[in-house]
Amino acid sequence: DVQMTQSPSTLSASVGDRVTITCRASQSIDTWLAWYQQKPGKAPKLLIYKASSLENGVPSRFSGSGSGTAFTLTISSVQPGDFATYYCQQYKSYSPLPFGPGTKVDIK
Amino acid sequence: QMQLVESGGGLVKPGGSLRLSCAASGFRFTDYYMSWIRQAPGKGLEWVAYITNTGSPIDYADDVKGRFTISRDNAKKSLYLQMSSLRAEDTAVYYCARGGAPVGYWGHGTLVTVSS
Repeated sequence: DVQMTQSPSTLSASVGDRVTITCRASQSIDTWLAWYQQKPGKAPKLLIYKASSLENGVPSRFSGSGSGTAFTLTISSVQPGDFATYYCQQYKSYSPLPFGPGTKVDIK
Repeated sequence: QMQLVESGGGLVKPGGSLRLSCAASGFRFTDYYMSWIRQAPGKGLEWVAYITNTGSPIDYADDVKGRFTISRDNAKKSLYLQMSSLRAEDTAVYYCARGGAPVGYWGHGTLVTVSS
C-alpha cells in the first residue's frame, strides 16, 4: 500500500508570508495527488488535483508541484483565511486511498 | 445547487450497528463514484470506502473491511454505509463525498459516537 507523509506537522506564519508544505509518497504515484484545505468544524475543500491543477474558484496564490514521490503545496502570500489544516491524498492506486497526516498552518 | 446531506449518526454501544445515509442533489448522481471518509475527534482524515457509479467495484480500508458495507441506490440518489461490530475507535465524523479521488464535494458530516 502507498503511504503518505507530510512535513512539517505544524507551521507558523504571518500574513503575507510564503508557505511551503511537503508531501511524500512511499512509492511513485506519478502526479496522482490532491491537496485539501480544512478549517475547524468544516468539511475539507479540494484545492489542487493532479499535483498542480487548481480547482475552480481556488485563488491563484495556491500552487502545487511535484511528481513521483515528492510534492509541494505553496501559498505565495498567506491570507487570514488560509490558516487551516492541509492534507494531501494519493489516487494512483484506489486500494486504498490514503491521506497524509495533515499540516496545520497557524498564525505566528 | 449541489448538496450532500448525511444522516443516521448518533450514539451506539460497542458491538452495535448503525446505518448512515447520504442524500445527493444538484448533480447527476449516476455519473460519480462516491465515498465515505471519516475524521476522529482532533485527528486527520481517514478514507473508509468507495463505490463506483454502477455499484461495483467497491473497496474498503483494512480497518473496516468485513464490518462496514457501502452501497448506493441510484434511483433514490442515495449513498449508504452499514456499520456493524462497532468499536470505540470508529468514533468519528463521517463525511459523504462525491468522487473516489480526488473528492470534489463533501457533505457536512454526521457524528458517530461508539461508547458504553
